[in-house]
Amino acid sequence: DADVTQTPRNRITKTGKRIMLECSQTKGHDRMYWYRQDPGLGLRLIYYSFDVKDINKGEISDGYSVSRQAQAKFSLSLESAIPNQTALYFCATRGTGGDEQFFGPGTRLTVL
Amino acid sequence: KNQVEQSPQSLIILEGKNCTLQCNYTVSPFSNLRWYKQDTGRGPVSLTIMTFSENTKSNGRYTATLDADTKQSSLHITASQLSDSASYICVVRPTSGTYKYIFGTGTRLKVLA
Repeated sequence: DADVTQTPRNRITKTGKRIMLECSQTKGHDRMYWYRQDPGLGLRLIYYSFDVKDINKGEISDGYSVSRQAQAKFSLSLESAIPNQTALYFCATRGTGGDEQFFGPGTRLTVL
Repeated sequence: KNQVEQSPQSLIILEGKNCTLQCNYTVSPFSNLRWYKQDTGRGPVSLTIMTFSENTKSNGRYTATLDADTKQSSLHITASQLSDSASYICVVRPTSGTYKYIFGTGTRLKVLA
């Protein structure tokens, strides 16, 4: 069951291109997060949203932007991709009052 | 600075053997500590969660322990199976900051037949 889905699963792009990664969820959760994972590092928070009108920067938001189109959809954009944005990107959701985050399958992004 | 460190970085064991993964953290105060399993090509999935007042929590062959005095947690895997091959991530949630989770770098476990 794919409660949290991410598209695309893999993407190769070139420096300077605009990229959008999409996340959809059917869990009915109001809270959504974008993380990136790099080898040897823990997941790092890029942006988070507690509802459609509440969007906040995480610890590494420079070079990224997000859009919360609906409660179920949260997109991450790289306006002008650069090679050090090559990473695994994960979307996660969490329900109000709950603690557990539920992660999507990830998007592997390579910027050449 | 809030940090979560895991050891070893990687581990190879034979099927059927037990193993223990370590997590040391400096996060204080904290609400809970969670262990996730991340299969290759998949997102992390929660295995166990312990509040600051709990000492141990089991989920099948997985047993997590917590020592809040020494700020250490361990994940013990009993009678390992090939399907246990994955990365295991320790995550600590600070008491302050409703959005914040501190992720460890993970231990990559490989179970060989």
